[in-house]
Amino acid sequence: AQSVAQPEDQVNVAEGNPLTVKCTYSVSGNPYLFWYVQYPNRGLQFLLKYITGDNLVKGSYGFEAEFNKSQTSFHLKKPSALVSDSALYFCAVSPNNYGQNFVFGPGTRLSVLP
Amino acid sequence: DGGITQSPKYLFRKEGQNVTLSCEQNLNHDAMYWYRQDPGQGLRLIYYSQIVNDFQKGDIAEGYSVSREKKESFPLTVTSAQKNPTAFYLCASSRAPRGTDTQYFGPGTRLTVL
Repeated sequence: AQSVAQPEDQVNVAEGNPLTVKCTYSVSGNPYLFWYVQYPNRGLQFLLKYITGDNLVKGSYGFEAEFNKSQTSFHLKKPSALVSDSALYFCAVSPNNYGQNFVFGPGTRLSVLP
Repeated sequence: DGGITQSPKYLFRKEGQNVTLSCEQNLNHDAMYWYRQDPGQGLRLIYYSQIVNDFQKGDIAEGYSVSREKKESFPLTVTSAQKNPTAFYLCASSRAPRGTDTQYFGPGTRLTVL
């Protein structure tokens, strides 16, 4: 069975510093990996995804993520955090089979301090 | 939140009542999904539909029902059989039910049982 872990419930970072939100996964076969962001009382917004190819994926709002197959990780990164990046971040994995469904991690709350 | 609308934004229900949450999309997507979000638990899949007039149970379907009579609409009914219905409900859609296809989310409906 596939699963996603986000080992940190909360990440605090100072504005202007680099940020990392961690994600590890377990899936049979090659994974498809996604990052979403959720602001309070809103739906999830898509940030980026890894399907195949370059291990470094660039997405919206200056975010990027690095796929590491040997460590089964897909950490979200941003070189310089903004206060407006404060939100709940979800990692999701999808198997490469038609009709299979996403599995979401529990979420990591990011707080960027001014 | 793209081209997916959910209504109402807030919903209050008395115990023993059925309520229906609306989800409409204008993205011409084949696949639609309903998720439930509880604090600290990420998203859990309730039902999904790969095509009109077809739907499948997700991980927590008990106490819920859906229909998919039109491509753009996927309403969710929370029945009185659902023991703990207070939660944030999110609808999503994707072009097809393939692992590579991004799911796009609506703004959500917060249901509270009084």
